[in-house]
Amino acid sequence: QVQLQESGPGLVKPSETLSLTCTVSGGSTRTFSWSWIRQPPGKTLEWIGYFSYSGTTNYNPSLKSRVTISLDTSKNQFSLRLNSVTAADTAVYFCARHPTGVAGMDVWGQGTTVAVTS
Amino acid sequence: DIQVTQSPASLSASVGDRVIITCQATQDIANRLNWYQQKPGKAPTLLIYDASNLEIGVPLRFSGSGSGTDFTFTITRLEPEDFATYYCQQYDDLLLSFGGGTKVDMK
Repeated sequence: QVQLQESGPGLVKPSETLSLTCTVSGGSTRTFSWSWIRQPPGKTLEWIGYFSYSGTTNYNPSLKSRVTISLDTSKNQFSLRLNSVTAADTAVYFCARHPTGVAGMDVWGQGTTVAVTS
Repeated sequence: DIQVTQSPASLSASVGDRVIITCQATQDIANRLNWYQQKPGKAPTLLIYDASNLEIGVPLRFSGSGSGTDFTFTITRLEPEDFATYYCQQYDDLLLSFGGGTKVDMK
């Protein structure tokens, strides 16, 4: 049974870089696509981007200039970096798996809260 | 970019009620639409993929339909565990986006 677990700092200062890791257990990262999604307090879900099974990345146009998603198959992890953060980046961050292409996301991490504050 | 508009934003219902939520895309996305349920403090769970396919393990009272720009999500008989927020999500042109959500609470 595949499980995902997000990890990283819960507090980030404005203008700094948010870095999160998603560790995959019970399965391989090699043959699937992987997304990051976030949810600001009381708001809807926002897709951040994905690393696809073919090795390509694609990002939300509204975040593209600040986001990098990478995959480390040797560690069975994928990562998110978001530069130049502001208070608007405060959210619960989720990682998730796409079982087929970039269609529905069938396995999610529990989420990790990141607050941007000085 | 393709946007999806969900309605209503919230609704109140009773156990046993039929619940219908709609999602409209800003352009034709064929069947590239999924539905999720989210409970407070939890991650979303996938209920319906590709507009009308029930994810494994999801009860048959949940269903989805539609194609193109107009989609419908239905709970035929609401159970106590179904009070939650529901989201549609499209994935056309390799970019993803979510609807605003529909909160289903107890009447």
